[in-house]
Amino acid sequence: GAGVSQSPSNKVTEKGKDVELRCDPISGHTALYWYRQRLGQGLEFLIYFQGNSAPDKSGLPSDRFSAERTGESVSTLTIQRTQQEDSAVYLCASSFRGRTEAFFGQGTRLTVV
Amino acid sequence: TQLLEQSPQFLSIQEGENLTVYCNSSSVFSSLQWYRQEPGEGPVLLVTVVTGGEVKKLKRLTFQFGDARKDSSLHITAAQPGDTGLYLCAAGAGSYQLTFGKGTKLSVIP
Repeated sequence: GAGVSQSPSNKVTEKGKDVELRCDPISGHTALYWYRQRLGQGLEFLIYFQGNSAPDKSGLPSDRFSAERTGESVSTLTIQRTQQEDSAVYLCASSFRGRTEAFFGQGTRLTVV
Repeated sequence: TQLLEQSPQFLSIQEGENLTVYCNSSSVFSSLQWYRQEPGEGPVLLVTVVTGGEVKKLKRLTFQFGDARKDSSLHITAAQPGDTGLYLCAAGAGSYQLTFGKGTKLSVIP
């Protein structure tokens, strides 16, 4: 695709439910990042995938958060037993191997009620 | 973990004014990027600086990388309402994990 695609664009869920967010990176980009952005705040790193290497999960805030990526394609971020503090925009970005310039999707706005 | 500190956090100026925002750290970076984010959108890359002392210009925007590669500044000349947005700096050192500052929220008033 032409750019990073994220779905859904908006998600409203009830507290305690599980949610799954999807990211389709730019074709050929080996690196993929997930970030969380709370209202009016900067970007909080969550997880980083680089090719087939073990992901850097150091930013995941709790064991309710997990992410998977198959090869160099689609990634899913799963949040189990959602809490109100999980409400935020979740941004995905991808980049070429060896380059730090990141290309972002438009994000998924998650609201936990 | 690298810490990128951006200042000021908020900036509201009149159209036509000049401004400078800063990105500072105690760490040395192999490269540093500036992004702009508009409401409801993901951040968009503006520039990457690599060499200490490097200056890059993008129309009315001037980016500078510090000599020691620990800090950077973004100067906007004659700001326009279209410059309004959240300006984020980001850096990687060693690994390719990108760390972002908290951003400077700029409002340019017509």
